[in-house]
Order: sequence, then C-alpha cells, then structure tokens
Amino acid sequence: DIQMTQSPSSVSASVGDRVTITCRASQGISTWLAWYQQKPGKAPKLLISAASNLQSGVPSRFSGSGSGTDFTLTINSLQPEDFATYYCQQANDFPWTFGQGTKVEIK
Amino acid sequence: EVQLLESGGGLVQPGGSLRLSCAASGFTFSSYAMSWVRQAPGKGLEWVSGISGSGGTTYYAGSVKGRFTISRDNSKNTLYLQMNSLRDDDTALYYCAKETTVPATLGYFDYWGQGTLVTVSS
Repeated sequence: DIQMTQSPSSVSASVGDRVTITCRASQGISTWLAWYQQKPGKAPKLLISAASNLQSGVPSRFSGSGSGTDFTLTINSLQPEDFATYYCQQANDFPWTFGQGTKVEIK
Repeated sequence: EVQLLESGGGLVQPGGSLRLSCAASGFTFSSYAMSWVRQAPGKGLEWVSGISGSGGTTYYAGSVKGRFTISRDNSKNTLYLQMNSLRDDDTALYYCAKETTVPATLGYFDYWGQGTLVTVSS
C-alpha cells in the first residue's frame, strides 16, 4: 500500500496567516492526489483533486501543487472558517489511502 | 441536490455481522462509482471499499478483504456494505461517498453522507 505522510500534524495560526501543509507519498503517484477539509462532526469536503484542480465553490485562497511524491496545500490569508483538519489522499493505486491529517488551530 | 443517507449502523458483538445502506438521490446513481470510507473515533480517514457504476467491479482495502462485501442496487439507488466477522477495530463512523466523474473511477469524492456509526464491542 502507498503510505501518505502529512506534516505538520498540527499548526497554530492566526486569521490572515498563510498556512502550508505538506504531503509525501511513499512512492510516486504522478498528480493523483486530493485534499479534503473536515470540520468537527461533519463529513469531509473535497477541496482539490488532481493535485492542483480547485473544486467548484472552493475559495481561491486554497491552492495545491506538486507531483510525484511531494505535494503542498497552501491556504493564503487564513479565514475563521478554515480552522479544520485537512487530509491528503492518493488515488494512484488501490487501496486508496489518506494521510493522517493536519489540524489547523487558532493561535 | 445530491443527497447520501447512510443507515444500518449499531452495536454488534465481535464476530457478528451488519449491513449498511446508503440511499442516494439528486444524481444518476447508476453512472457513478461509489465508495465507503470509515473514521474510527478521534482518528483519520480510511478508504474501505469501492464499486463501479454498473456494480461489475469492486475494490477493497486489505483490512476488510474477505470479510466485507460492497454491492449496489441501481434500481433502488442504494449502495450497500455487508460486514461479516466484525472486529473491535472495525468500530468507526462509516461514510458513503460519490465519485466525482463518470464513467471513470478516479478516486476523488465530491459528495459524502453524514455517516452511520458501527460499534463492535462485547
């Protein structure tokens, strides 16, 4: 199975900050990567597919980049509604696997 | 509006069985691959199983292969997960999730249900 490792596990940030989350795959996955946002008690929400394709309705302050084994989710100008846990997920090969999550907390 | 409504969760003893259902509406169900994803209490997400739109192709995580069976009834717009030989570590909130694109199975999920809780305990 492809292992997905996110860093950091948690980050404290203030409204207006830029936050960067990284995701590393244990083997190359081209751009077969998604990013999800999950708030407490809610289902995950798809933010980005194919490493950098922003889903319809997702604010442009979210962006994704990377290919191969190293990927990044960037949130520019963090907003109060962005405090949540973020997961990467590879879709290159079965079984599809998720990173362990990165919790973005209020500083 | 796309809606996914899971049901069938509950408390079951180790070794027992349970069948989850996911009723879909608001889209052409038979055109889309679907998956089950679970989340143990306080833990991260784990993809469990997926099925093509026709139901002819299925996929499983190693942790459930041979114990769980995914299926669908396109005439009823319903996805199922039959879970047998349940273990303590199967305790989780089980989500059904819709694939983003037809007819491919890309592994990206744009709609999720609210989940149904399965608790395996004696």
